Amino acid sequence: NAGVMQNPRHLVRRRGQEARLRCSPMKGHSHVYWYRQLPEEGLKFMVYLQKENIIDESGMPKERFSAEFPKEGPSILRIQQVVRGDSAAYFCASSPGGSPSYEQYFGPGTRLTVT
Amino acid sequence: AQTVTQSQPEMSVQEAETVTLSCTYDTSESDYYLFWYKQPPSRQMILVIRQEAYKQQNATENRFSVNFQKAAKSFSLKISDSQLGDAAMYFCAYRRPSGGGADGLTFGKGTHLIIQP
Repeated sequence: NAGVMQNPRHLVRRRGQEARLRCSPMKGHSHVYWYRQLPEEGLKFMVYLQKENIIDESGMPKERFSAEFPKEGPSILRIQQVVRGDSAAYFCASSPGGSPSYEQYFGPGTRLTVT
Repeated sequence: AQTVTQSQPEMSVQEAETVTLSCTYDTSESDYYLFWYKQPPSRQMILVIRQEAYKQQNATENRFSVNFQKAAKSFSLKISDSQLGDAAMYFCAYRRPSGGGADGLTFGKGTHLIIQP
């Protein structure tokens, strides 16, 4: 049973470009969470999605960031017009349900560097 | 809003010794979940141990155990018989009961654990 997969593992973008980060949850998991980790910091929650629905986006910046989890295919975190401050590691986690009793399984992360 | 505080940016312990990592949190909820995650240099987040707030018994997983003090809002991690493979960043995390939004984990800033051979 493959774990949570994220790609790319490393992504370099110039300021003003778009970044697309992909997350394939574990088989049988329909709940996806995105987190951002700045250098020397813990992970910060961004958004929680179920298939075709955004459940909680309270941690998502209001501009330039969007997320989706379509019926088919991976979850996508999209950052438009990237700036240097977007440089961070972005982690995706999945769980089989939304209850907090379920463990969130983390992917290896995507390290985004904005030059 | 919930906050999680790890007051030890770095800890060092001799191999085979015992070390305790501290974590405090702030919440107005009575039922919630607490976790310790390990992040080795590979950056993969690995769940070490979890505790449900309604359970009075402290969780234990092999060499890892917690001291959960609900009234004091304290959740420390004890690692016994430390091994070189335990070297990593350790993050304490909180999750509120489901419903009402804010379903993600709230993490502390982490403690860097160094194991001295």
